[in-house]
Amino acid sequence: RKEVEQDPGPFNVPEGATVAFNCTYSNSASQSFFWYRQDCRKEPKLLMSVYSSGNEDGRFTAQLNRASQYISLLIRDSKLSDSATYLCVVNMDSSYKLIFGSGTRLLVRP
Amino acid sequence: DGGITQSPKYLFRKEGQNVTLSCEQNLNHDAMYWYRQDPGQGLRLIYYSQIVNDFQKGDIAEGYSVSREKKESFPLTVTSAQKNPTAFYLCATFPGAGGSYNEQFFGPGTRLTVL
Repeated sequence: RKEVEQDPGPFNVPEGATVAFNCTYSNSASQSFFWYRQDCRKEPKLLMSVYSSGNEDGRFTAQLNRASQYISLLIRDSKLSDSATYLCVVNMDSSYKLIFGSGTRLLVRP
Repeated sequence: DGGITQSPKYLFRKEGQNVTLSCEQNLNHDAMYWYRQDPGQGLRLIYYSQIVNDFQKGDIAEGYSVSREKKESFPLTVTSAQKNPTAFYLCATFPGAGGSYNEQFFGPGTRLTVL
């Protein structure tokens, strides 16, 4: 089983749609969780951290479910510019080592 | 203008040659990382370094070597022992203890192609 698993997609949605991605992780002792965004042929960039209580940043909402060992990302009112690959990232222990999922590709169509 | 620079952006190598990818940062971050990304896949950790003169193997270190003689620099050498080196290589930094524990910063990457 992979340490961090994501549905590869692609998710093909119309503008204005709401879309949700899930990510599961295998190590129950994982401490920190993040969503990164990666545009085609570019480097990943932090989208948002994921806190135990859940957090929201504009149209984006991230949630953590420790009992079921998954995190989610909800995007409301999708824009064309949201088209990208979304990477789920987990810090497994107290080291500085991050584990990346393989990413979920989102395509937002006009 | 703070950041991470990687050079070159594109690199072509003949089979059997060693090549070195440069990564320099002026963010004063303690930790530095090298990842490899293949098409349609996530990032896989090659090596990382938490402090100067110390580094650890990641998940796919075979065929690669690194050094960390200065805090600002973490070059990666792709040796001829790496059987399938064609990939997108990303260097990243992390502030470390006492800094924000929220973000790993990435350089723009180097695309290596073996001819």
